[in-house]
Amino acid sequence: GPKVLQIPSHQIIDMGQMVTLNCDPVSNHLYFYWYKQILGQQMEFLVNFYNGKVMEKSKLFKDQFSVERPDGSYFTLKIQPTALEDSAVYFCASSSGQNERLFFGHGTKLSVL
Amino acid sequence: TQTVSQSDAHVTVFEGDSVELRCNYSYGGSIYLSWYIQHHGHGLQFLLKYYSGNPVVQGVNGFEAEFSKSDSSFHLRKASVHWSDSAVYFCAVSAYSNNRIFFGDGTQLVVKP
Repeated sequence: GPKVLQIPSHQIIDMGQMVTLNCDPVSNHLYFYWYKQILGQQMEFLVNFYNGKVMEKSKLFKDQFSVERPDGSYFTLKIQPTALEDSAVYFCASSSGQNERLFFGHGTKLSVL
Repeated sequence: TQTVSQSDAHVTVFEGDSVELRCNYSYGGSIYLSWYIQHHGHGLQFLLKYYSGNPVVQGVNGFEAEFSKSDSSFHLRKASVHWSDSAVYFCAVSAYSNNRIFFGDGTQLVVKP
C-alpha cells in the first residue's frame, strides 16, 4: 500500500544543535502532519500543513520548530536549537484530504544529548 | 477542543478470547472517530473510521467499533484475538471544523498463547 518514508530512522545530536527530520509523504497527498511520541505512548499533535502553509499547530510546536515542503521535495521538521526535552520519536503522516485517514511513517527517533 | 480518553492502559487476554478496548470522547459538534494500531517500532496503521450512518463500523482483521452518541464512546471490539493482534491501539478524534486529529493515550493489548 501507500507508504510514508522518514529519514533518518535515528538521529543523535548535541543539545543546541539544529536538526532536520525528513519525510517523503504518499504521492498525491495534500495534507501533512507531524506528531511527537514519548515512551511509546501519547501521540501528541504538533502541526498540520496544507498548500504550503501551516494550518494548525499545538502548544508543543515551539518557536524553535519550523516546517516546510519546497516543491517536489521532502516535508521537513526543523528544530533549531534543540533542547533535551525534544528527545522523542517524531512521526510524519499524510492524508489525501481533510479528516481522511492518516498514513504514517515509521518514525525518526531523536536523541538530544 | 475535542478530547479523547482511553481508560485502559493495558489489557491482557488469551488467544481466542474476545476483547473490547474502550474509547470515550468529548466534543460538542460533529466529529470523526477512528482507531489505529501500532506495532512496536512502527508507525500507526489505520483500522477503521466512523463519521455517520451505521454506528457499527467494520475494519481490517476482524475488528469492529461501535459509536454511541449517548455514551460518547467508540469502543473497539474483536470476537477472537490472535497473538499477532498484540500491539498498542489508539483511538482518535477530529472535528469536522478542523483537521487537528487528537489521539488517546493508547491501550497496550497483550495476547497470550
